[in-house]
Amino acid sequence: NAGVTQTPKFQVLKTGQSMTLQCAQDMNHEYMSWYRQDPGMGLRLIHYSVGAGITDQGEVPNGYNVSRSTTEDFPLRLLSAAPSQTSVYFCASSYRTGRTDTQYFGPGTRLTVL
Amino acid sequence: GQQVMQIPQYQHVQEGEDFTTYCNSSTTLSNIQWYKQRPGGHPVFLIQLVKSGEVKKQKRLTFQFGEAKKNSSLHITATQTTDVGTYFCSEGNTGKLIFGQGTTLQVKP
Repeated sequence: NAGVTQTPKFQVLKTGQSMTLQCAQDMNHEYMSWYRQDPGMGLRLIHYSVGAGITDQGEVPNGYNVSRSTTEDFPLRLLSAAPSQTSVYFCASSYRTGRTDTQYFGPGTRLTVL
Repeated sequence: GQQVMQIPQYQHVQEGEDFTTYCNSSTTLSNIQWYKQRPGGHPVFLIQLVKSGEVKKQKRLTFQFGEAKKNSSLHITATQTTDVGTYFCSEGNTGKLIFGQGTTLQVKP
């Protein structure tokens, strides 16, 4: 299994441009999430999904859209990039066994907005 | 909303010394998860605690969940250079996790 894959690894955008960060998992996990990581602020949840066709907002959803048309894929769209969106973006997938959730993170996308 | 506070933000230790990071919440936590992120890497799941007063061990790592389920700690005995990284606690489930700010551990050989 490849686990959780993310593309691209690095991206530089100009203010106002749009782009999609790709995330895929091959573990048949129900739950998928997007986080951004900024220095000193830990990981903050952007959007998450509990299954195909179902998405919900996290702590910092503004400026981002998501969709989940299949179990495997969970793309994150930046509608009009801003310098404040410069960050490292992590996608994660998880499943639940009993009362335990185990989240698996992708390698991340490092985004710079100029 | 739920907030999870983690202290300290940074810790420098000499190899062989012990290390502890603490996670605190003003409200009762349903569970606590711990992750480790190596420099330049992605978070890797270490463990989840769900029961009041629960203690779990993984080799030199000891994880505790408070009796009131409002705090948790991760203790590393006799640190090694391989322990370098940032340790995060988090709370939640079904894909929705709230993370603490993390504790970055530096180990001097």
